[in-house]
Amino acid sequence: QQQVKQSPQSLIVQKGGISIINCAYENTAFDYFPWYQQFPGKGPALLIAIRPDVSEKKEGRFTISFNKSAKQFSLHIMDSQPGDSATYFCAASLRGSNYKLTFGKGTLLTVNP
Amino acid sequence: GAVVSQHPSRVICKSGTSVKIECRSLDFQATTMFWYRQFPKQSLMLMATSNEGSKATYEQGVEKDKFLINHASLTLSTLTVTSAHPEDSSFYICSAREPGSSTEAFFGQGTRLTVV
Repeated sequence: QQQVKQSPQSLIVQKGGISIINCAYENTAFDYFPWYQQFPGKGPALLIAIRPDVSEKKEGRFTISFNKSAKQFSLHIMDSQPGDSATYFCAASLRGSNYKLTFGKGTLLTVNP
Repeated sequence: GAVVSQHPSRVICKSGTSVKIECRSLDFQATTMFWYRQFPKQSLMLMATSNEGSKATYEQGVEKDKFLINHASLTLSTLTVTSAHPEDSSFYICSAREPGSSTEAFFGQGTRLTVV
């Protein structure tokens, strides 16, 4: 049973455009929702994270929107740049599990110049 | 942010041999470390949770006798792939969480294991 569903699997955006990646979760006990960016051959790096008591969080060009009732959250990348081309993973964790992360399947983002 | 260092970054070994991968938290003490496995173009799959001074907790379907995890100190966890086979070839990634208020997990750079 996949607890975090991520879409789309791949995304192509023009430079300057908005990239939107969506995730849905099933376990209502999740209380921490991070997004990770991974370049080929590298480990994931935390991009931005949100808790369920907040509906939106913005850091620079990256915004998380969180809809607790729908059990969905999304990543918006504004003014997308070729350097943003990477694989993005959403994840969820809960305090009781030692914050063990459950990852989505990932989205390969390509930003064309 | 905190730094987690993984070594080696790449390793090639012969089938039947064992390989040890190290994961170090460089500027913080990590009571808990996590080991993941990632196949090409796929997500990270948690293999086990490593707790300092105690036995690791393995995820369902992960062979504990094949993937030996040791967390002997607050800054070092090791994953040993025993009797490696070509199907064990994968990208292995560790992460560590700084105890306290932070929930952020810091990831190592990963180890590319190729078994020939």
